[in-house]
Amino acid sequence: DGGITQSPKYLFRKEGQNVTLSCEQNLNHDAMYWYRQDPGQGLRLIYYSQIVNDFQKGDIAEGYSVSREKKESFPLTVTSAQKNPTAFYLCASSIASRGSTTDTQYFGPGTRLTVL
Amino acid sequence: AQSVTQPDIHITVSEGASLELRCNYSYGATPYLFWYVQSPGQGLQLLLKYFSGDTLVQGIKGFEAEFKRSQSSFNLRKPSVHWSDAAEYFCAVGLYSGAGSYQLTFGKGTKLSVIP
Repeated sequence: DGGITQSPKYLFRKEGQNVTLSCEQNLNHDAMYWYRQDPGQGLRLIYYSQIVNDFQKGDIAEGYSVSREKKESFPLTVTSAQKNPTAFYLCASSIASRGSTTDTQYFGPGTRLTVL
Repeated sequence: AQSVTQPDIHITVSEGASLELRCNYSYGATPYLFWYVQSPGQGLQLLLKYFSGDTLVQGIKGFEAEFKRSQSSFNLRKPSVHWSDAAEYFCAVGLYSGAGSYQLTFGKGTKLSVIP
């Protein structure tokens, strides 16, 4: 089955600890994205990557870091510098083919992070 | 910068009634427009998208949306709502970056409740 997996589904951490969220896709997509969702706020872009070993900051990158060492994987680290890390985190991927009608962002099931 | 407005935070309809969810966008060029649906605690599923061409777009689950450039709108409609349609709906605008992938700007969402 092709798709995007995120693990774990629920994650609890103590304040001040870094935590890494996993995102893996087997869709052979070039581009991957991380979004943060807060109640009543919609989704906001944290980071995105269009190709291996390259990534760009989104609208709310402060306190987060990413890596893209493999095409299939785009892990997100929530650092202790993130002031309000409790949220629902969604990973997405797309084929990165400008203007193609098949170019759609597909989303994983999400990870709910709670910082205690 | 582009922006998306979903004026209705919460809508309640009776099962079998028609539905229209509003979406207005602010964007300088011809936008790429999307509607996604999210069930509680889940990821986002694409309902439909508009890239170009016919302004009336058909999607999955019996949904359709109409792009109206003069009104900067992309409203989602369904002629007869089913109880399983209860979820949160997000409208989004896609902005292409230089390399081919695009960033999505989301509205804050409309929560749909369905009365049996």
